[in-house]
Amino acid sequence: GAVVSQHPSWVICKSGTSVKIECRSLDFQATTMFWYRQFPKQSLMLMATSNEGSKATYEQGVEKDKFLINHASLTLSTLTVTSAHPEDSSFYICSATSGTGGPEAFFGQGTRLTVV
Amino acid sequence: QKEVEQDPGPLSVPEGAIVSLNCTYSNSAFQYFMWYRQYSRKGPELLMYTYSSGNKEDGRFTAQVDKSSKYISLFIRDSQPSDSATYLCATQMDSSYKLIFGSGTRLLVRP
Repeated sequence: GAVVSQHPSWVICKSGTSVKIECRSLDFQATTMFWYRQFPKQSLMLMATSNEGSKATYEQGVEKDKFLINHASLTLSTLTVTSAHPEDSSFYICSATSGTGGPEAFFGQGTRLTVV
Repeated sequence: QKEVEQDPGPLSVPEGAIVSLNCTYSNSAFQYFMWYRQYSRKGPELLMYTYSSGNKEDGRFTAQVDKSSKYISLFIRDSQPSDSATYLCATQMDSSYKLIFGSGTRLLVRP
């Protein structure tokens, strides 16, 4: 399957600071990328959908000014958690589709964010 | 009502057992059905997907979809301890639309 690389795999930051998470498709062009959040022992909650070169579409209840998403190229999307608070601590996962007709979405390895 | 329902488990079976994992969904417009495996603190890994109703087999794994009853199943034959993980079912209206995930079933295969 296609490879999606997410970086960093874990990060600790102080309250009030911003954290950027990168999601790269290594061997295919990702026309659409998705960002998820996952709490312990719970399923993935879709935060936003981003298409290359256009603004992200956020799910209801997700603050777009807090979770900034940029999809500037066909191989890179970034999620920036701005002014992080302890309640933002979670597991963030990205996925990407190639848009070539298949429905498969390939996931990154996830980023564990801890805000102290 | 959630769009995709999945028993969270945990499901504990002895090594070698046949495992049956199931999901139900509510929206008849869903066309694609996926199964993902997720190990602790890792991203989900796609196991297989099916389009519309029918069966699909890949090694020890068989996926079944019954659209008439809106029921999705994953069977694992000759289960191994390395199969211990959380299994997530997911549905999709079309190939470009977002995935709707079930809550995941934790599976433990005892040696």
